[in-house]
Amino acid sequence: IAGITQAPTSQILAAGRRMTLRCTQDMRHNAMYWYRQDLGLGLRLIHYSNTAGTTGKGEVPDGYSVSRANTDDFPLTLASAVPSQTSVYFCASSGGTSGSGANVLTFGAGSRLTVL
Amino acid sequence: GQNIDQPTEMTATEGAIVQINCTYQTSGFNGLFWYQQHAGEAPTFLSYNVLDGLEEKGRFSSFLSRSKGYSYLLLKELQMKDSASYLCAVRDSNYQLIWGAGTKLIIKP
Repeated sequence: IAGITQAPTSQILAAGRRMTLRCTQDMRHNAMYWYRQDLGLGLRLIHYSNTAGTTGKGEVPDGYSVSRANTDDFPLTLASAVPSQTSVYFCASSGGTSGSGANVLTFGAGSRLTVL
Repeated sequence: GQNIDQPTEMTATEGAIVQINCTYQTSGFNGLFWYQQHAGEAPTFLSYNVLDGLEEKGRFSSFLSRSKGYSYLLLKELQMKDSASYLCAVRDSNYQLIWGAGTKLIIKP
């Protein structure tokens, strides 16, 4: 089934540890995004990539890094996790870059991360 | 600053009609989106408006007034499966999506 796969589904992590959330899509979409979703707040963009080999910072990039070595994969790394990074993380992709038409996002199922 | 406002929670009865409002103040406008998100699941796309007026898609319709910075999502013939959060998002002049916090819709029998 075409779509986005995220791993892990859920993780409890000690503060200070390094963590990588994986995201893979099989739709050959150019653009990919990482969002975090916290109760009472809208989705907030962490990092994005308009095409393989390029990345950009979103609204809340501090403490996170990404890479886009190929079209399909877009991992998100927390170098040294802190409790404020406890959240649900969603990876998303779209067929065009931000300016092209409706540019509908397809989301992965999410990764629930708890930092203690 | 940029802001998207929508009610936190609404309750409606199965078979009825409900209107979820969204008002926005953004730096420019390049389209408004509605997504549905069931509890514990990913958001899924419902509708897109870039011009003023009503877009109808089955039981769901979305309306946009750019001059008023206002949109609504209209759900007809409500079903229990419509219980979900409904997210409003606006694409600004930099083509970045600004998201509202979502409206949790509770459907009662």
